[in-house]
Amino acid sequence: GQSLEQPSEVTAVEGAIVQINCTYQTSGFYGLSWYQQHDGGAPTFLSYNALDGLEETGRFSSFLSRSDSYGYLLLQELQMKDSASYFCAVNHMRFGAGTRLTVKP
Amino acid sequence: DAGVIQSPRHEVTEMGQEVTLRCKPISGHDYLFWYRQTMMRGLELLIYFNNNVPIDDSGMPEDRFSAKMPNASFSTLKIQPSEPRDSAVYFCASEGVGTEAFFGQGTRLTVV
Repeated sequence: GQSLEQPSEVTAVEGAIVQINCTYQTSGFYGLSWYQQHDGGAPTFLSYNALDGLEETGRFSSFLSRSDSYGYLLLQELQMKDSASYFCAVNHMRFGAGTRLTVKP
Repeated sequence: DAGVIQSPRHEVTEMGQEVTLRCKPISGHDYLFWYRQTMMRGLELLIYFNNNVPIDDSGMPEDRFSAKMPNASFSTLKIQPSEPRDSAVYFCASEGVGTEAFFGQGTRLTVV
């Protein structure tokens, strides 16, 4: 079967750095992606890793270790607007339960 | 492109009624996904199509749910008969070769 594990909630202060971890179990793995969803909105794509290593996109970075079936999303210089739910997904298809990030002033 | 278009945005129906949700994917995308999102169960993959052909419908909860994709620009998700526990936000998403998944704005379904 397939499963993804990520923390349910994370809280951080404005300007800080936060890391959201994701472990997965799946067959036929192509890549790990990250999506952001604000309350009442649709998930939107943030980052994708098909190979081991770090991908950087502005304030957001994502990391993958295929041998460990593990990845993380790193958010730097947190802003209030980053308060949202963040989902890891296998192959852009199967989503974790989401991590609700709350950024406080 | 206007993105993935779903209709209706909101649907309120009575238990036992048939509900049809509609989706227009992004032109040129050959994958289409239907998801259901609830607080309890998160974002569940119900079914996905590749080139209009259903590939995996193992997430469809029961026979009351059916999905079709008669052509590359249109898909429907039908619930018949609907039940209160079907209340959720239903998302459609499409994906092209080498792209990420693009989500529609969702249909918020309430079954009373």
